[in-house]
Amino acid sequence: GQQLNQSPQSMFIQEGEDVSMNCTSSSIFNTWLWYKQDPGEGPVLLIALYKAGELTSNGRLTAQFGITRKDSFLNISASIPSDVGIYFCAGQNYGGSQGNLIFGKGTKLSVKP
Amino acid sequence: NAGVTQTPKFRVLKTGQSMTLLCAQDMNHEYMYWYRQDPGMGLRLIHYSVGEGTTAKGEVPDGYNVSRLKKQNFLLGLESAAPSQTSVYFCASSSRGGNGYTFGSGTRLTVV
Repeated sequence: GQQLNQSPQSMFIQEGEDVSMNCTSSSIFNTWLWYKQDPGEGPVLLIALYKAGELTSNGRLTAQFGITRKDSFLNISASIPSDVGIYFCAGQNYGGSQGNLIFGKGTKLSVKP
Repeated sequence: NAGVTQTPKFRVLKTGQSMTLLCAQDMNHEYMYWYRQDPGMGLRLIHYSVGEGTTAKGEVPDGYNVSRLKKQNFLLGLESAAPSQTSVYFCASSSRGGNGYTFGSGTRLTVV
């Protein structure tokens, strides 16, 4: 089945630093999404990308849909303590009766004040 | 607007006991999903439903059953709980249009 490789698995950074994480797949997706999970909560959608090459920002977050449709990256600029959590990438191919998201295993971000 | 609500939030079961986890969504979404999350394993799909009265197996369906009798509810059942089912369970829902999922806040289940 389809699998996503998300890296890095974990990051320990200083407050104010920029963060970069990425996701790659052996197969193409129609949609790439990035989620954040705060401790003790469910994942929450941060950014959705629908077209190859698309670059989308949400505040300090920027994500891109790779031109090959097999990868995506997420950047966080000037990190703050509340950025702590697990970030998941997800790929989706919708249509027909399917449409299930395929999730990466997550990047755990820790921020030192 | 509550979104996706999961009950209970926490539960401890003894091996062999049964229980049902309830998921309710108020967004009129067609699709609903049950995932389990374990350390280092990410989110793994247990079962899903593409509409009222329909269910399908996901990646890790063994030991679980589901039912979708009403569009807004998706139930996950454990008939005979095992310690390997200790996990955090998340329900999610989505519309047909490929706009990603809305997740509940999870149920932390411990089987002793």
